[in-house]
Amino acid sequence: QITLKESGPTLVKPTQTLTLTCTFSGFSLSTSGVGVGWIRQPPGKALEWLALIYWDDDKRYSPSLKSRLTITKDTSKNQVVLTMTNMDPVDTATYYCAHNSGSGCFDYWGQGTLVTVSS
Amino acid sequence: DIQMTQSPSSLSASVGDRVTITCQASQDISNYLNWYQQKPGKAPKLLIYDASNLETGVPSRFSGSGSGTDFTFTISSLQPEDIATYYCQQYDNLPTFGGGTKVEIK
Repeated sequence: QITLKESGPTLVKPTQTLTLTCTFSGFSLSTSGVGVGWIRQPPGKALEWLALIYWDDDKRYSPSLKSRLTITKDTSKNQVVLTMTNMDPVDTATYYCAHNSGSGCFDYWGQGTLVTVSS
Repeated sequence: DIQMTQSPSSLSASVGDRVTITCQASQDISNYLNWYQQKPGKAPKLLIYDASNLETGVPSRFSGSGSGTDFTFTISSLQPEDIATYYCQQYDNLPTFGGGTKVEIK
């Protein structure tokens, strides 16, 4: 059974750096083809893909946010970490991590964590 | 970036109606298109992958079709539990999502 869970601060101040951790079980990020992605959703708005890391440490980023994002993995801990610098109130959103089977779809999702950016 | 234009943004239909949502890609994405259902306060759920393949456990009233730039998602007979927002997502290169379609009961 594949599960994922996001953790991190619920409130960050403008200009601060956000660090989110995705802790997963039921699969290994050392298995060929597997990836973990981050997707966010501002309140009442659409989904936005942010970043994706694959089993071989290949990393992909949203072009519009690439300069602010870093994604890393710790295979031994079954964790993926996303950092986003220079947070702004427009970054207020629910942040999800999701399993990517390598075929391009996100087939298992975490419950999401709401991050509010406010002074 | 590949842009995904999803329409309509919302619709209202009666129980038992056939519901159709379209998604248009800004360039050819072959069949690299997925559909998700998101209920309020919940994470998205994968329904259709590779444009037309039903994810395991998903009711057969859901279907998808299309290739290239034009894709269609259909609910053959709308049920009360289908009230949700539906998103398309392409993965020809970097993933992008459509703007979503909110489905309501008339």
